[in-house]
Parts: sequence; C-alpha cells; structure tokens
Amino acid sequence: EVQLVESGGGLVQPGGSLRLSCAASGFTFDNYAMHWVRQAPGKGLEWVSGISWNSGSIAYADSVRGRFTISRDNAKNSLYLQMNSLRPEDTAFYYCAKHIHRLGQYYFDSWGQGALVTVSS
Amino acid sequence: SYVLTQPPSVSVAPGQAASITCGGNNIRSKSVHWYQQRPGQAPVLVVYDDTDRPSGIPERFSGSNSGNTATLTISRVEAGDEADYYCQVWHSTTDHYVFGTGTRVTVL
Repeated sequence: EVQLVESGGGLVQPGGSLRLSCAASGFTFDNYAMHWVRQAPGKGLEWVSGISWNSGSIAYADSVRGRFTISRDNAKNSLYLQMNSLRPEDTAFYYCAKHIHRLGQYYFDSWGQGALVTVSS
Repeated sequence: SYVLTQPPSVSVAPGQAASITCGGNNIRSKSVHWYQQRPGQAPVLVVYDDTDRPSGIPERFSGSNSGNTATLTISRVEAGDEADYYCQVWHSTTDHYVFGTGTRVTVL
C-alpha cells in the first residue's frame, strides 16, 4: 500500500522559512516523479512544484518560483520542499503527491494527508 | 495561462445522477483527470485519462471529454459521494499542472 506522510508544517512569521518533508513507502520511490500541491483553507487545489525521478527535471508554479526549492533523497525515500521568504498567502495545507506519466497522461495517483503551514505574525 | 472552470456547486437526490462539468479551451485535446476530496481528507483520484477508473473506484463514476467541456458523471448517487470534485490537466506549453476551480456536490 502506498503511503505518503508529510511533516514539518507549523506557524512561521512572514519572511521566515520552513522545510517540509514527505516520507514515502509501499512503492519504488525512485521510479516516480513527485510533486507538491497546496490548498489554502476553504479554497481549491494549486500545483506548487514537481521533481523527476532523478532530480534532473524540476518545475515550479510562478507563485513560488525563486522562493521555494524542491528536492528528493532516493536513498531515504523522501521528498522535500524548502520554503523561504514566506508570505501570508502561502498559508495552506501542503500535499505530497505521487506522479504518473504514461502515454501523454500526467496526473497524481496517490496523495499524503497534508501538512499545514501558517504564515502569520 | 490555461484556465479550467467548474460550477461551484451541484445538488442531487440520492439515487439520481450528478454531472460535473470542467470547461477549458479545446480541452478535448488534453487528458482530463478527476479527484474527489471529502471534508477534512486528502484528494483521491477517481477518473484518469478522461474515462478510466483506478482500481477500487466504483463503476458509478464515469468521465467524458468533448469540445471545450469535460464531464464527470456520478450515477446512482450515495450519501458518501458528498465531496468536492476537481478536474486537472497538464498544460504542455508551460509544463504546469492546472486544477479546476472545484465543485461541491451536495446529496439532498
């Protein structure tokens, strides 16, 4: 059974930093790209960032480019999101998601339970 | 950027069918995927590649994609289907993933 468990969320002041982690199990982690998707309280889903299986390809949403850094450690079956220069509008649940790329299809077949990041003074 | 538009809400009586639309420019040229998110829970994939269902998803969930509109249909709606539903595509021009605005399905 695929399991994705996020950690590292919490309360941080505007301009501060936070690092999220996602521990993966139940599948061959280094065979899959991984992504972060966020959801502000009461709002819809927003894609944040993605990283290929070997870290060779990385993409960011315009709203976080230059402030967030995605990375992975395949030896530890872990995905990370380093968040710097945080803003109140970054307040959201952050979900780790396993990516499927097959025959031109790109989607997420498994999700973690989410980590809440609150940016407030 | 590419925009996906969904109706904010759909209400349906138990046992009836619910249709949730996802509008986007020439969306039929893209693969559309659908997620269910029950209150307080993480999203769950219910339809991928327009019409396919992951294992464990009931046959009551079906999808279609034509012209500028993709549709998720839930047949014989049950109380447990009450949730928010999101469509999603990959926008190749920007290599970004786009989610629809979301539709709350209420079972009367």
